[in-house]
Amino acid sequence: QVQLVESGGGVVQPGGSLRLSCAASGFTFSSYGMHWVRQAPGKGLEWVAFIRYDGTNKYYADSVKGRFTISKDNSKNTLYLQMSSLRAEDTAVYYCAKEFSSDYYDYWGQGTLVTVSS
Amino acid sequence: DIQMTQSPSSVSASVGDRVTITCRASQGISSWLAWYQQKPGKAPKLLIYGASSLHSGVPSRFSGSGSGTDFTLTISNLRPEDLATYYCQQANSFPRTFGQGTKVEIK
Repeated sequence: QVQLVESGGGVVQPGGSLRLSCAASGFTFSSYGMHWVRQAPGKGLEWVAFIRYDGTNKYYADSVKGRFTISKDNSKNTLYLQMSSLRAEDTAVYYCAKEFSSDYYDYWGQGTLVTVSS
Repeated sequence: DIQMTQSPSSVSASVGDRVTITCRASQGISSWLAWYQQKPGKAPKLLIYGASSLHSGVPSRFSGSGSGTDFTLTISNLRPEDLATYYCQQANSFPRTFGQGTKVEIK
């Protein structure tokens, strides 16, 4: 069965960096694009970034462009989100999600909480 | 960016009722729309994609319709387990955007 397990969340000071990981299993990871979606406490869903199945195309939300980098290691079945210059407004649960029919998300991880606070 | 606006922001209904949630896109998105259900403390789940296609394993009481800018999610015969927040999401272009969510409560 498909499993997505995020890790790497925690408390970080404003301006700091953090790398999130999403370990995938149960499907051919190298054949699917992957997304990061976040949810601030008590708020709605916000799409963050997408990477094409082969890593050749990447897209970002304006709110994270230039600060976050999405990558995937198909040999390790792992998706990453490198976050730098973190701000208080980046505080959220970060979910990785597998693409479905190229445009939607059919499997999500359980989420990892990132708290940006001094 | 395409803005997605859902209404209402919350709805309270009784078991067995029909509940309708609407989602409006700021520009035409053809049928590139999905609906997700998020229960408290859980990750979202895909219900509907392509505006009207039911995702595998989703109960048939959920249905979607619409195209262009106006879309609807209908829950017929509301069940207690449908307590959740529902989000629409456009897949027409990047950046992907979600509606602000509609919280469904059971009376």
